[in-house]
Formats: sequence, structure tokens, C-alpha cells
Amino acid sequence: GAVVSQHPSRVICKSGTSVKIECRSLDFQATTMFWYRQFPKQSLMLMATSNEGSKATYEQGVEKDKFLINHASLTLSTLTVTSAHPEDSSFYICSARGGGASGLTDTQYFGPGTRLTVL
Amino acid sequence: KQEVTQIPAALSVPEGENLVLNCSFTDSAIYNLQWFRQDPGKGLTSLLLIQSSQREQTSGRLNASLDKSSGRSTLYIAASQPGDSATYLCAVGTDSWGKFQFGAGTQVVVTP
Repeated sequence: GAVVSQHPSRVICKSGTSVKIECRSLDFQATTMFWYRQFPKQSLMLMATSNEGSKATYEQGVEKDKFLINHASLTLSTLTVTSAHPEDSSFYICSARGGGASGLTDTQYFGPGTRLTVL
Repeated sequence: KQEVTQIPAALSVPEGENLVLNCSFTDSAIYNLQWFRQDPGKGLTSLLLIQSSQREQTSGRLNASLDKSSGRSTLYIAASQPGDSATYLCAVGTDSWGKFQFGAGTQVVVTP
């Protein structure tokens, strides 16, 4: 089946620093990628939708300048948490949706997640 | 805005019993519905995807039904095993671009 990877799987950083999380579709081209965050014992909340070659679409209440998303290629999207603070500590999960020649539509494939802890 | 509710929030059953997990949604105009499994500290594994035109999907011991008119989906897991212990998430697809609205999940524990 289709595989989505995330790197790093776990990161600890100091308050005020920026952290970049990568999401890669390993064996298919992802026309659309999504970024979610999940607080302990809560559900996933969609942060933004990322389409290759265009600006990301952010959900209401998500700060664009704080969570920078870049979808530079059909296999890579990055989420950068700028000037991170302890309240940004969370589990960040990306998903990728195939399309076009990939033959993979509708089903989303999720990455394993990245645990961010901001001290 | 679509709201997705999963009941119960937690469930514990002895091995061998059948599991019934419920998901309800407020807006029947859905694109599709997907059930996922999440192990602690891990990402999501897709279990079943039901298109809006379908009534159910089956895979092995898993069966998911969809009733759009009543805003419900049910995931059945037959003959539960300890390895089925996980959190099960219901996600309603709200558009053709792949946006999902997730429920909070049902945490399942299957005891040997």
C-alpha cells in the first residue's frame, strides 16, 4: 500500500526556536497533503490543506505566519512551526492524497506523526 | 459545520466478543466516511472507506455500515482479539478534495 513518512518522529526544542517537519509520500505522487494536530486524548484537528505549487489553505483559527507550510513537490510538504512556544507542543500528523496518474484517490494515507515538545 | 461524535468514548470487552462502535454526524451531505485505527503515540491506519453512495464495506472481520439519512455509521469487529486494542477514529469526508472532520475516537481494550 501507499506509504507516507514523517521526519522527525520526535523533536524537543527550546521556546522561541523554529522547527521543520517533513511529510513525504514515498511511492506515489500526492497532489494534496493535509496537516493535522492532535492533543492528548483528543481528535485530529485539520490545520491546513496543501496543494503542490500553490499556497496552503488554512483552517479558521490557525495562524498562517506561525505554521508555515510549503508543498514544493508532489512528494514533499513541510510544516515549519516558527517561534515555538510550549502551547505548540502537540502531535502533528500529515496525510497525503493521491490523484491523477497515481491512481490513488479518495483514500488518504497518514504519516506516523511527529511529537513536538517545546520547553 | 459538520460535527462528528463517537460513542462510547471507551470500551472494554473480553476476547472473542463482537465490538460495535458508533459514529454520528450532523450533516448528511457527506462525500465519504473513513474508519481509522490509531495505536498509542502512532499515526493512523485506514481500515475501511465508504463512499457516500455505498451502504457498507467489509474487510475480513471488519464491517462498516453507513446510513446518511440518519447521520450514522457503525463499525463492527467480529470475534475481537487483544491485538484489536487501539483507538478507533471515524472521519467524515466533507468535500472531494479530501478534507475530513474527525470524531474524538473510541478507545477499545480487549482483555485476554
